[in-house]
Amino acid sequence: QVTLKESGPVLVKPTETLTLTCTVSGFSLSNARMGVSWIRQPPGKALEWLAHIFSNDEKSYSTSLKSRLTISKDTSKSQVVLTMTNMDPVDTATYYCARIGDYPDYAMFDPWGQGTLVTVSS
Amino acid sequence: QSVLTQPPSASGTPGQRVTISCSGSSSNIGSNYVYWYQQLPGTAPKLLIYRNNQRPSGVPDRFSGSKSGTSASLAISGLRSEDEADYYCAAWDDSLVVFGGGTKLTVL
Repeated sequence: QVTLKESGPVLVKPTETLTLTCTVSGFSLSNARMGVSWIRQPPGKALEWLAHIFSNDEKSYSTSLKSRLTISKDTSKSQVVLTMTNMDPVDTATYYCARIGDYPDYAMFDPWGQGTLVTVSS
Repeated sequence: QSVLTQPPSASGTPGQRVTISCSGSSSNIGSNYVYWYQQLPGTAPKLLIYRNNQRPSGVPDRFSGSKSGTSASLAISGLRSEDEADYYCAAWDDSLVVFGGGTKLTVL
């Protein structure tokens, strides 16, 4: 059974850097043709894709957030880490990680983690 | 403002058939697969349709997807109260994933 679980701080202050970890089980981050994406959802709003990473370390980022995002993986720990710098209250959202397939299934998120709510406030 | 355009709301009565549209462009829907997600209240989204019209195992055949040109649609037949949820379309677009703004489906 494939599962993903997000972890990280519940509350961050404006201008701080957010670090989120996605721990996966049921598949290996070294598996060819599989990757992990991060998606977020502000309260009451739509989903927004942030970034993805594959086993060969191929990465892609949201155009609008690229300058603030870094995605990486630790295959030995089965973890994918997302950092977002210079956090702002508008970044308050539930952050999800999800498994994805290789091209052309970059938008095939299955399954999703349960999500973690991050609030940005001083 | 989402890249893919969905109606903000849709509704139907039990047993009815409803459709939700998703409009994009040549760089996303026009040249890539469309995926649909169902998000029940307070839960993470769940894959409903992949590669335009394929259902993952466990998804009832009441749900179907289609695509034509730069638009796609999700159809739900035999509407049930448990279908009340938010529905999102998604597609690859050159170098990033784009989502629709979501459609809130109400079962009257």
